[in-house]
Amino acid sequence: QKEVEQDPGPLSVPEGAIVSLNCTYSNSAFQYFMWYRQYSRKGPELLMYTYSSGNKEDGRFTAQVDKSSKYISLFIRDSQPSDSATYLCAMSDGNNRLAFGKGNQVVVIP
Amino acid sequence: DGGITQSPKYLFRKEGQNVTLSCEQNLNHDAMYWYRQDPGQGLRLIYYSQIVNDFQKGDIAEGYSVSREKKESFPLTVTSAQKNPTAFYLCVGQGGTGNTIYFGEGSWLTVV
Repeated sequence: QKEVEQDPGPLSVPEGAIVSLNCTYSNSAFQYFMWYRQYSRKGPELLMYTYSSGNKEDGRFTAQVDKSSKYISLFIRDSQPSDSATYLCAMSDGNNRLAFGKGNQVVVIP
Repeated sequence: DGGITQSPKYLFRKEGQNVTLSCEQNLNHDAMYWYRQDPGQGLRLIYYSQIVNDFQKGDIAEGYSVSREKKESFPLTVTSAQKNPTAFYLCVGQGGTGNTIYFGEGSWLTVV
């Protein structure tokens, strides 16, 4: 079983729709959870960071963590064409062990 | 500007040559990593370092070498022994609140 599973997509949605992205993980030592957005031929940029179960909002983005189910989600409300990118989940145990999902390509259609 | 700075962004290498990718950070992070990103394969760990003058092999270290002489710098050398070096290379720093992970902008290496 891989440490982190993320459906690679691609996921196509119409402009204005809600985008829902998920990752599952197997290592219960992971405590810190991050989501990144990566545009083509660029390095990933940090979108959201959280370390506790529950929801965290930042503008149109909501990160959700369920540690009991080992499941994290990212929601993008009112999606825009500029949100078209690859979204990467990441997690850390706080002791320099990192794990990443493979990335989920999102296309927002005008 | 703070962050992780990689250079060059694009690099072409002839077969048989070694090349070095630069990674500099001003975030005061102890831990630094090098990953390779290939389409459909996600990120694969090449090397990582948790402290100056110490580094560890990752999952795909063969054909690569690193050094960590200064906290701010973690260069990666792609040697001629690396059989398939054409890829996008990402340098990562980890530290600060919650050991947040920060990426550099990446370096594209093409073997010609």
